[in-house]
Amino acid sequence: DAGVIQSPRHEVTEMGQEVTLRCKPISGHDYLFWYRQTMMRGLELLIYFNNNVPIDDSGMPEDRFSAKMPNASFSTLKIQPSEPRDSAVYFCASSLALWETQYFGPGTRLLVL
Amino acid sequence: AQTVTQSQPEMSVQEAETVTLSCTYDTSESDYYLFWYKQPPSRQMILVIRQEAYKQQNATENRFSVNFQKAAKSFSLKISDSQLGDAAMYFCAYTSTGNQFYFGTGTSLTVIP
Repeated sequence: DAGVIQSPRHEVTEMGQEVTLRCKPISGHDYLFWYRQTMMRGLELLIYFNNNVPIDDSGMPEDRFSAKMPNASFSTLKIQPSEPRDSAVYFCASSLALWETQYFGPGTRLLVL
Repeated sequence: AQTVTQSQPEMSVQEAETVTLSCTYDTSESDYYLFWYKQPPSRQMILVIRQEAYKQQNATENRFSVNFQKAAKSFSLKISDSQLGDAAMYFCAYTSTGNQFYFGTGTSLTVIP
């Protein structure tokens, strides 16, 4: 398996623009997680899905952020409109179960100017 | 309230020596799982070691071992014979079967040649 795939790897955009981050989990994994990492706030869990259903989105910072998982092999994290404070590395991870090992993607480094 | 606490933001160890990273957690659950993840400068997060709370025996993976003290809610990571490649950020994580999942704030480990 190729592991968790994220795209794009780097994104530079201007404030106010819409940003869409994409994730393909490992096949067969029922759980998918989205994290944000910054120097100031560390690693934050934004949302996670079980069998394509959002279970806990309490970490989503505000209404500008939305995440979807239309099928078992694809998820998106959208920021609209983007702001400079959204600049961070966004990680996607997947696992067989909540208590199993999470496998992380390489991350998307987002810079909002 | 913080459920997983890593009280050491930074640690350093001499190459070939042993270092222990601390982690405490707060839970009322009896069935849960604990993890140590490593994030090297490449940013790729990988699992170091996993412990099931119902197991008395401490988990071990080569040079990495844990000291799991269930009553004290402590889960420390010991790295023996430290190598330069062990330099990374280490995150402690907790999950329960009750759909709770938390990461600690991380400990940055420096290995001195």
